[in-house]
Amino acid sequence: EADIYQTPRYLVIGTGKKITLECSQTMGHDKMYWYQQDPGMELHLIHYSYGVNSTEKGDLSSESTVSRIRTEHFPLTLESARPSHTSQYLCASRGLGADTQYFGPGTRLTVL
Amino acid sequence: AQSVAQPEDQVNVAEGNPLTVKCTYSVSGNPYLFWYVQYPNRGLQFLLKYITGDNLVKGSYGFEAEFNKSQTSFHLKKPSALVSDSALYFCAVRDGNGGATNKLIFGTGTLLAVQP
Repeated sequence: EADIYQTPRYLVIGTGKKITLECSQTMGHDKMYWYQQDPGMELHLIHYSYGVNSTEKGDLSSESTVSRIRTEHFPLTLESARPSHTSQYLCASRGLGADTQYFGPGTRLTVL
Repeated sequence: AQSVAQPEDQVNVAEGNPLTVKCTYSVSGNPYLFWYVQYPNRGLQFLLKYITGDNLVKGSYGFEAEFNKSQTSFHLKKPSALVSDSALYFCAVRDGNGGATNKLIFGTGTLLAVQP
């Protein structure tokens, strides 16, 4: 069982607000990922990190930004939320030399 | 380039019957293959993986998958479906020859519906 946490689980917010989605893992994993899951259920990689102070953009362009100041923490920020950002956001991590990614429970974001 | 195909958007099966969820892949090197399951409003849960060795891989909840190199497939199977198996299933692949930086590529998902 993976120890990876996401907060909040659900968030409903108005257009223009700044939001931060939290992701933390207690496994000491160096690699962390953010995926956006659209209503059609496809997963799209939007950000990843291979360690502290390392962040890269994923395959799907996103207006969000991420930071990796501590190994265990990989927050995602939207400076100005829009209805098009409504989606489920999934965080995942993978350990050094390991093959398997483990996922958090997700944050379902609704922007009105 | 890596890719994964799950040709069926939905699979319907009666409880007690065997189930198969199909997955084919394309990688230039050795494939690392994974199956995940997602229940409503939850994250993805790891089921099983193939890295090397025996082509038949056993995983959680009675699921298994067979790696077929010639057909580039990694179909998920279970001998007897349960209603509680109803969920969204994702196949994923990573090129094992690409090093640690290679990303995991997911299929589009297959919704499994098990009827009582």
